[in-house]
Amino acid sequence: SQTIHQWPATLVQPVGSPLSLECTVEGTSNPNLYWYRQAAGRGLQLLFYSVGIGQISSEVPQNLSASRPQDRQFILSSKKLLLSDSGFYLCAWSVRNPGAQPQHFGDGTRLSIL
Amino acid sequence: DAKTTQPPSMDCAEGRAANLPCNHSTISGNEYVYWYRQIHSQGPQYIIHGLKNNETNEMASLIITEDRKSSTLILPHATLRDTAVYYCIVSDPRNSGNTPLVFGKGTRLSVIA
Repeated sequence: SQTIHQWPATLVQPVGSPLSLECTVEGTSNPNLYWYRQAAGRGLQLLFYSVGIGQISSEVPQNLSASRPQDRQFILSSKKLLLSDSGFYLCAWSVRNPGAQPQHFGDGTRLSIL
Repeated sequence: DAKTTQPPSMDCAEGRAANLPCNHSTISGNEYVYWYRQIHSQGPQYIIHGLKNNETNEMASLIITEDRKSSTLILPHATLRDTAVYYCIVSDPRNSGNTPLVFGKGTRLSVIA
């Protein structure tokens, strides 16, 4: 069966520090990968999606970036965090084949910026 | 913006069926209806999806009206562990890869002992 792992589960970082969140998927090949952010009390906002290695699309301009160095690895990064970057970051995957494939989410990383 | 409308909250007695409604009056012919739930501090969990026929799996049943403008998620025997925020989402799978799931505010279901 397929599984998705995110780490760390929680993170406290000072303003201006760098960020690296990692997400890996097991049990499938060539998945679509997604990064979402959920601010407190609000819905999910899509940040990035990827349909293949090195292929990243950004939905929202921001100081965050994403990379996909391997087929089942998706990384969210920042060079300098802002207070507004606080939130719950979720990675998700879906099967790439055409069809109504649902997205499956990891357990998320709760990021607090001080 | 979310294309769906859901009541903000609902209560359900433990052991009874929970019926969660969703309006999606502007749904297009190629859009599916997806249901997810989010338990506090966890990632959203996929429940079920459908196009126009009713669907059932081990978690729930999905009833879609004939005109597809609304649907109902049914949890047949709600337990305390079903307490969560339930999201109804419409999405076109033809945009595979670049289809974000637009989560609205969902329905907060409270299962009461």
